[in-house]
Amino acid sequence: QKEVEQDPGPLSVPEGAIVSLNCTYSNSAFQYFMWYRQYSRKGPELLMYTYSSGNKEDGRFTAQVDKSSKYISLFIRDSQPSDSATYLCAMSGAVDSSYKLIFGSGTRLLVRP
Amino acid sequence: EAGVAQSPRYKIIEKRQSVAFWCNPISGHATLYWYQQILGQGPKLLIQFQNNGVVDDSQLPKDRFSAERLKGVDSTLKIQPAKLEDSAVYLCASSLDDRGQNTEAFFGQGTRLTVV
Repeated sequence: QKEVEQDPGPLSVPEGAIVSLNCTYSNSAFQYFMWYRQYSRKGPELLMYTYSSGNKEDGRFTAQVDKSSKYISLFIRDSQPSDSATYLCAMSGAVDSSYKLIFGSGTRLLVRP
Repeated sequence: EAGVAQSPRYKIIEKRQSVAFWCNPISGHATLYWYQQILGQGPKLLIQFQNNGVVDDSQLPKDRFSAERLKGVDSTLKIQPAKLEDSAVYLCASSLDDRGQNTEAFFGQGTRLTVV
C-alpha cells in the first residue's frame, strides 16, 4: 500500500463548477498537509498548507483535513480554465525519526470553457 | 524574495554517461530536497538535507546517484552512469524548517533529463 493515494484522473469539469480533489494516507504520523499545483513543464507551486485537522480557506480554495479518516480534500469554487493543471497532495510528519515530505501521484484537472 | 534556482533546465545524454544538476535554495532555508518526477507520476523523494547533513536518502540509488550540499547552501545531484530509466524531471525544493519539522516546501522549475 502506498503511503499517499490520489486518483490520477483526469477530471474534466465545466467552467464555474466546484471541484473536489482528494487524497488518502496510511501513516498517522503525518501532521502537515499541503496542496501543490503543477502546470505542464513547471515545478510544483504551493497552494495551501494546513497543520493537523480542520479547514483552511484562501480565496476560491478550501483545504480540509480529517485525520481520524486519514483523508484530505481540496475544493476549488468557481473553477476557471486557468485552474487546469495537475494537483498534488503532499504531507509530512515524523517518520523513522525524521520529517519526510511525501507526495501523492497527482490528479490532472481540466476546466472546460 | 528569489525562488529556488536550478540548472540546467534541460539535458540530453547517452546512457552510461554522467550528468550533474545544480540547485540554489531560497536564502536561509535549512532543508533541501531532491525529487525525481517521472512523467505522469508524483515527485519521489531521492534525498533530503538538513543544513549540510543527510536526513533521508533511503530511495537514492546509491550505486549511481550521489548528492552533496556545499556549506549548507547549494547542492549538486550527480548520476553516473545514467540509465534509460533515469529519464525524468529532477526537482529541487527547500523549506525554512527551523524547528526540525517540515514547513512549506518551495520548488524550482526542475531539470528535464532525457537519457537516449
